[in-house]
Amino acid sequence: NAGVTQTPKFRVLKTGQSMTLLCAQDMNHEYMYWYRQDPGMGLRLIHYSVGEGTTAKGEVPDGYNVSRLKKQNFLLGLESAAPSQTSVYFCASSSPSGAGLNTEAFFGQGTRLTVV
Amino acid sequence: QKEVEQDPGPLSVPEGAIVSLNCTYSNSAFQYFMWYRQYSRKGPELLMYTYSSGNKEDGRFTAQVDKSSKYISLFIRDSQPSDSATYLCAMSRTSYDKVIFGPGTSLSVIP
Repeated sequence: NAGVTQTPKFRVLKTGQSMTLLCAQDMNHEYMYWYRQDPGMGLRLIHYSVGEGTTAKGEVPDGYNVSRLKKQNFLLGLESAAPSQTSVYFCASSSPSGAGLNTEAFFGQGTRLTVV
Repeated sequence: QKEVEQDPGPLSVPEGAIVSLNCTYSNSAFQYFMWYRQYSRKGPELLMYTYSSGNKEDGRFTAQVDKSSKYISLFIRDSQPSDSATYLCAMSRTSYDKVIFGPGTSLSVIP
């Protein structure tokens, strides 16, 4: 049982390049999230999805797009990378219909992105 | 003003000390309160959660919520070097709502 898997783990981009981060979960969770983590800022929510085919903006959505075509996958896209998007990106998933705490989020191992 | 505030530390304590980690928040609608632990270069993992006000104990860890003061705490008794990590508080309005995280407090427990 892999849980939440993020691809890639590391990436260096040049300013203006595009890329897609992939998040896959095998827990049949309804909710999926993309966060970025920066020193002193904690985890900030970029976009989230409450089900297949749905997406919503979080706290810092500008410069990012997402898609949730399949329940198990949540993609984060950067169309034109900027140095300000240098960060560690975490994907998470949770299930509002599960037993126990419905808001427990399970996190991936993170993607370290550097934009030069 | 951020919705959730947390002293970033770093906090350094000797092994065996009692540690107190705290968060304040501004949204009185928050009802679910969580503490996540994040080891270096890893994703956060849920440590404890509480609903509404009150205390919850789990082994060496105690979580407290004071909704009247909009203040939550995590106490660690008999701290161990393996407790060295960043601790993030988190909260949500309902069990179906998105979770808002604090910036995290870095803790080092020195043997």
